[in-house]
Amino acid sequence: EPEVTQTPSHQVTQMGQEVILRCVPISNHLYFYWYRQILGQKVEFLVSFYNNEISEKSEIFDDQFSVERPDGSNFTLKIRSTKLEDSAMYFCASSEAGGTYEQYFGPGTRLTVT
Amino acid sequence: GNSVTQMEGPVTLSEEAFLTINCTYTATGYPSLFWYVQYPGEGLQLLLKATKADDKGSNKGFEATYRKETTSFHLEKGSVQVSDSAVYFCALKAYNTDKLIFGTGTRLQVFP
Repeated sequence: EPEVTQTPSHQVTQMGQEVILRCVPISNHLYFYWYRQILGQKVEFLVSFYNNEISEKSEIFDDQFSVERPDGSNFTLKIRSTKLEDSAMYFCASSEAGGTYEQYFGPGTRLTVT
Repeated sequence: GNSVTQMEGPVTLSEEAFLTINCTYTATGYPSLFWYVQYPGEGLQLLLKATKADDKGSNKGFEATYRKETTSFHLEKGSVQVSDSAVYFCALKAYNTDKLIFGTGTRLQVFP
């Protein structure tokens, strides 16, 4: 069964450093998403991406964050200058279409900012 | 704004016990409702969904009914197994957005 993959599974970085989290969505999917979960808190929406542009973003997704689909298979989340409070599990998801279509989630990347 | 409230965990049950995990929501319009499950070390997997009032979603013995009058979507299973041990997330998607709004998650532990 096709699945969403994410790399790395765990990333440790120092405060102020740039980090790129990578995702390979399911190949025929057109909608892509990033969510995050700070330890002990809710899973929170960050951004959705369709047709090579951001379709929706949350208040969390400020100028420090960016997303890109650099080729036909990868979908990346960049954090320009990491803060301690960016430490979280980051989940990538993809769906065939919008609306009630299922979002398929990857296993997550645990980001630890020291 | 839109939100989801789930019962606190952990929920600890013996094998073959009946399971209920409560979920209520606040939303404008008519959202779609979902239950996701996260097994240890894995991502979130869709367990079931309901897209309109009175719909019942079901999968793997789990069921949930979209109750508009009580704004609820409680998850039930008649007889849990040890393999059902996981974290369960209730979520909604409003009609005019693609983002999922999640509850805090409820950890289920089933012992033999």
